[in-house]
Amino acid sequence: SQQGEEDPQALSIQEGENATMNCSYKTSINNLQWYRQNSGRGLVHLILIRSNEREKHSGRLRVTLDTSKKSSSLLITASRAADTASYFCATDSMDSSYKLIFGSGTRLLVRP
Amino acid sequence: EAGVTQFPSHSVIEKGQTVTLRCDPISGHDNLYWYRRVMGKEIKFLLHFVKESKQDESGMPNNRFLAERTGGTYSTLKVQPAELEDSGVYFCASSLLGAGYGYTFGSGTRLTVV
Repeated sequence: SQQGEEDPQALSIQEGENATMNCSYKTSINNLQWYRQNSGRGLVHLILIRSNEREKHSGRLRVTLDTSKKSSSLLITASRAADTASYFCATDSMDSSYKLIFGSGTRLLVRP
Repeated sequence: EAGVTQFPSHSVIEKGQTVTLRCDPISGHDNLYWYRRVMGKEIKFLLHFVKESKQDESGMPNNRFLAERTGGTYSTLKVQPAELEDSGVYFCASSLLGAGYGYTFGSGTRLTVV
């Protein structure tokens, strides 16, 4: 069964704008991660947030985690054309620490 | 440090044929994982190796899929015979720890079955 569900499925914004993507999950987790996939390339790890953390920053990325609502958001500020990619959230689970469960992803298009 | 290498990067085969995907993990990473993304859907776990042993193969879809990791180094994933629904992107990842973090993913193999 699908653990992570992301919305929106697709997002188109102008360069310089902020992009917000959301992820919901179903089971208890140890941590939640966000990955990016550029077209035709592999998955690149962006940021990890642990279950006892509520917010984390890395450069232009800001991730929030609400374990009571089983949801997370990824904010990309001052977007650039190079941010165009698919973004996935991934969770492990309390009973299977090594297995990542991915959402279906958000396709982000940043128009120059 | 070399990353995780997968090849081929793209494979187009006919239904019923056999395809073998290869993954070379980062040297020293005992943990190797296979995932796949089919038809633009979510990325799903296939299996996990610790060295040469299969730790968890609960995500393997059926017995047409066979994964091996000879000597605990590189891994292969064979699909025989391939079906149309096997089309997708197959990702390999490796890690030092058997945990859901610290993964390094390869660039994936795009498999198209026609």
